[in-house]
Amino acid sequence: DIQMTQSPSALSASVGDRVSITCRASQTTRNWLAWYQQKAGKAPKLLLYQASTLESGVPSRFSGSGSGTDFTLTISSLQPDDFATYYCQQYDTYPWTFGQGTKVEIK
Amino acid sequence: EVQLVESGGGLAQPGGSLRLSCTASGFSFSNYEMNWVRQTPGQGLEWLSNISISGSYTLYADSVKGRFTISRDNAKKSLFLQMNSLRAEDTAVYYCASGGYCTDDKCNHAGYFQKWGQGTLVIVSS
Repeated sequence: DIQMTQSPSALSASVGDRVSITCRASQTTRNWLAWYQQKAGKAPKLLLYQASTLESGVPSRFSGSGSGTDFTLTISSLQPDDFATYYCQQYDTYPWTFGQGTKVEIK
Repeated sequence: EVQLVESGGGLAQPGGSLRLSCTASGFSFSNYEMNWVRQTPGQGLEWLSNISISGSYTLYADSVKGRFTISRDNAKKSLFLQMNSLRAEDTAVYYCASGGYCTDDKCNHAGYFQKWGQGTLVIVSS
């Protein structure tokens, strides 16, 4: 199975900060990578797919980059609604696998 | 409004069975491959199973292969997960989620999950 490792596991940031979360795959996933946002008690919400394609309706402050084994989710200016847990997921190879999550907290 | 609503969760004994259902509305269910994904506090998010639009093709994670069966009824816009031989480690919130989109002549076989249900909690305990 492809192991997905996110870093950091948690971070504290302020409204307006630029935030980056890294996801590393144990083997190449080409660009078949998605990012999700999850708030407490809710289902995950798709933010980006194919590493950098923004899902419809997702604010443009979210962006994704990378290919192969190293990927980054960036929030250009953190908003109050963005405090949540973020997950990456590869869908290059079965079984599709998720990272362990990065919790973004208010500083 | 696009909705996926899961039901059927609850308490089950180790070795027992449960059948989860997921009912879709607000989108063309029969054009989407569908998935089950679960979430535990300790193991995070885990993809479990995928089914083609016709129901003819299915895939499973090793952790549930041979114990869980995915199926669908397009006429009823419903997805199912039959869970047998349940174990304590199957305790989780179970989500149904949409996958690839198919038109008459091709599917994109997308492996990301665009639409999600609210989840249903399964607890396996004696």
